[in-house]
Amino acid sequence: GNSVTQMEGPVTLSEEAFLTINCTYTATGYPSLFWYVQYPGEGLQLLLKATKADDKGSNKGFEATYRKETTSFHLEKGSVQVSDSAVYFCALTTSGTYKYIFGTGTRLKVLA
Amino acid sequence: DADVTQTPRNRITKTGKRIMLECSQTKGHDRMYWYRQDPGLGLRLIYYSFDVKDINKGEISDGYSVSRQAQAKFSLSLESAIPNQTALYFCATTSTTDTQYFGPGTRLTVL
Repeated sequence: GNSVTQMEGPVTLSEEAFLTINCTYTATGYPSLFWYVQYPGEGLQLLLKATKADDKGSNKGFEATYRKETTSFHLEKGSVQVSDSAVYFCALTTSGTYKYIFGTGTRLKVLA
Repeated sequence: DADVTQTPRNRITKTGKRIMLECSQTKGHDRMYWYRQDPGLGLRLIYYSFDVKDINKGEISDGYSVSRQAQAKFSLSLESAIPNQTALYFCATTSTTDTQYFGPGTRLTVL
């Protein structure tokens, strides 16, 4: 079945450090891939997405590239801020299933 | 106003009690979902619905039931709550571009 594996946290960085959160997936067909962010006390909200191989999703300085050959969708940001502290979820859906598979989430803490 | 609202936001109940969690949306989406979030387990799908007559079980539907009263309303019930149903519950809607929009969550504690 379909699955998403993301790196365990917590990840603790200093402000302005480079961020990578790894995400790999297993899926039949050609999934759409997503990163969602959950700030404390809130629901998840879409950060970025990519719908086909080699697409790059980007938003708020975050980027992720859909790599079909490595079945990966790693999240990166060049310079994190304290306000980026949150839990990040990688997710996928495949056409026609209308179901979404989420990773276990990676907590990011950015220190001033 | 928020696009997806959930009530209550927090609830403490006792084992064996019946509980209903409610979700309303103003986005006009047909697809609605209920998830539970547990530490270290991410989000797991309980039920999902495409319209008032089309309701489907997710991966962890045992012990739960749902009702889709209208396009905008989707309720989750625990007929007889048990402690391992203590979790954070999220309602979500999905757009035609497959983006999910989540409510703020309901924190449920079963004693």
